Amino acid sequence: ETGVTQTPRHLVMGMTNKKSLKCEQHLGHNAMYWYKQSAKKPLELMFVYSLEERVENNSVPSRFSPECPNSSHLFLHLHTLQPEDSALYLCASSQDHTSRSSGANVLTFGAGSRLTVL
Amino acid sequence: AQSVTQPDIHITVSEGASLELRCNYSYGATPYLFWYVQSPGQGLQLLLKYFSGDTLVQGIKGFEAEFKRSQSSFNLRKPSVHWSDAAEYFCAVGARLGAAGNKLTFGGGTRVLVKP
Repeated sequence: ETGVTQTPRHLVMGMTNKKSLKCEQHLGHNAMYWYKQSAKKPLELMFVYSLEERVENNSVPSRFSPECPNSSHLFLHLHTLQPEDSALYLCASSQDHTSRSSGANVLTFGAGSRLTVL
Repeated sequence: AQSVTQPDIHITVSEGASLELRCNYSYGATPYLFWYVQSPGQGLQLLLKYFSGDTLVQGIKGFEAEFKRSQSSFNLRKPSVHWSDAAEYFCAVGARLGAAGNKLTFGGGTRVLVKP
């Protein structure tokens, strides 16, 4: 399998549930990202991991908890969400910052996980 | 901080006609610029990118974009639109996150409808 794979593609959860989104990349990249895409807002960067360390956290509420166990996998743990958290969550990956290739700034996106919070 | 503006929320174009999508950016240094396309229910696919050099860049699916520093613009064009080009298009400006990672800031997107 190639590219960036996200599971599940669709998730419906209640406000008291705990669930996780999973992202896996098969591109040999060392940086991974979570973006949130809401209906009426531009894509919002949530978290960035580079070499398995979190390097960016864009003031995301603590009910979203990322985890990056290795350079190929990224999780977004969800708990006590609100209906306004319903959105498409996109995972992306890119080459390591030490790369001199122009590919260093190119993000490859997964198809997204559509989350609905009831 | 960087920002991207896509002034047109929706554009309707007839199949076979030309298409131009506008993008204006704000960034303090030389920007990395991108156009992505998103089909319904899908993630974002890279159409083309500009890092340096020739200001007219060619991408996939017959798209091209021109970087104009004086106008802070990076408009996307296609000479003849196909029905399969109906999608949402996002312009983005990229910046390094300090010593690690890359941060893309996206515009609000332009939804393109193609009439038969």
